[in-house]
Amino acid sequence: DVQLVQSGAELKKPGESLRISCKASGYSFITYWLVWVRQMPGKGLEWMGIVYPGDSETRYSPSFQGQVTISADTSTTTAFLQWSSLKSSDSATYYCARRGQWKVGDFYYYGMDVWGQGTTVTVSS
Amino acid sequence: IQLTQSPSSLSASVGDRVTITCRASQDISSYLAWYQQKPGKAPKLVIYAASTLRDGVPSRFSGSGSGADYTLTISSLQPEDFATYYCQQFNRFPRTFGQGTRLEIK
Repeated sequence: DVQLVQSGAELKKPGESLRISCKASGYSFITYWLVWVRQMPGKGLEWMGIVYPGDSETRYSPSFQGQVTISADTSTTTAFLQWSSLKSSDSATYYCARRGQWKVGDFYYYGMDVWGQGTTVTVSS
Repeated sequence: IQLTQSPSSLSASVGDRVTITCRASQDISSYLAWYQQKPGKAPKLVIYAASTLRDGVPSRFSGSGSGADYTLTISSLQPEDFATYYCQQFNRFPRTFGQGTRLEIK
């Protein structure tokens, strides 16, 4: 089965660092982009950024550039999302998702076809 | 690229036909996906390429549109369809989402 399994819930204090993980299995890890999505309590989905494990290329939303770091480790087929100094506004559920790709006619189209279960991060003093 | 969904919420009954609209701030050339999310769960992909149903998704779901305007239609609502629906564009970085449409039972 194709799966993304995320690390468990975290309770941290403002200013602390954190790295959460997303373990992929059941497919070729290096050939699919992996995305991180934020969902603040009671709010919608926000696209944070994406990593291609094959060459570690990353792209960030301007809203999150410089605030987080996205990476991937091919030896453990795991993607990571990390913060160096958390703020209370980072409290949210974070999802990783695989970017699927399909050819329709002459073009390739995309969608996030496999999702992790989410990691809830709470930042509170 | 901004995506604006309408309505933001919708009350409907089992068996109803409902349509959700997603309007982009520019032409996104059908690089649009739709997701369903239930409370406390991760989103699930429903449609990609604006109108292609993902394998395993019931045929009562359909998508259409072109340019900047897209719709998701559920032809006959079932109890399991009550959820929040999001559109997402893949035409430009960052890959933005619409704000969501909450579909509730009337």
